[in-house]
Amino acid sequence: GNSVTQMEGPVTLSEEAFLTINCTYTATGYPSLFWYVQYPGEGLQLLLKATKADDKGSNKGFEATYRKETTSFHLEKGSVQVSDSAVYFCALSDRTGTASKLTFGTGTRLQVTL
Amino acid sequence: DVKVTQSSRYLVKRTGEKVFLECVQDMDHENMFWYRQDPGLGLRLIYFSYDVKMKEKGDIPEGYSVSREKKERFSLILESASTNQTSMYLCASRWTGGNREQYFGPGTRLTVT
Repeated sequence: GNSVTQMEGPVTLSEEAFLTINCTYTATGYPSLFWYVQYPGEGLQLLLKATKADDKGSNKGFEATYRKETTSFHLEKGSVQVSDSAVYFCALSDRTGTASKLTFGTGTRLQVTL
Repeated sequence: DVKVTQSSRYLVKRTGEKVFLECVQDMDHENMFWYRQDPGLGLRLIYFSYDVKMKEKGDIPEGYSVSREKKERFSLILESASTNQTSMYLCASRWTGGNREQYFGPGTRLTVT
């Protein structure tokens, strides 16, 4: 079956530091890949996505590139802010069926300090 | 803006009670989902519905049932709540399609005592 593996958290960074959160996946076929973010007390919201190999998703200074050869979708940001403190989830969606499902990683908590 | 609302943010119930969690979306989405979120386990799919009156089991359906009588509303039912069902419950919805994003509600934190 499908699976997503994320790096363990929490990740603690100083403001303006470089962020990488690793994500690798196992899936048959050609899944779509997503990063969701959950701010404290809220539900998840889509941060970025990529639907085919070599696509780069980007939003709010975050980027991730769909690497089929390494089955990875690592999240990066050049300079984090305190407001980026949240839990980040990597997810994949298979393309089969009318209601294809998301498979999530366990989430990585990011804490950014001044 | 897409809006997914859940009936309660916090809920405390006793063991053995029947519990209803309601989810409503306002964007005419065909697909709706119920997840539970637990520390270290991420989100796990309980049930999903790809259309009105249609439902399919997710990865952890035991102890839960669902109802979808109208397109905009998807209910999660705990027939007899147990302490191991204490969790955060998240509802999501989206249009049909493999690479469409899911839109999430704010979650209901359920405590079963």
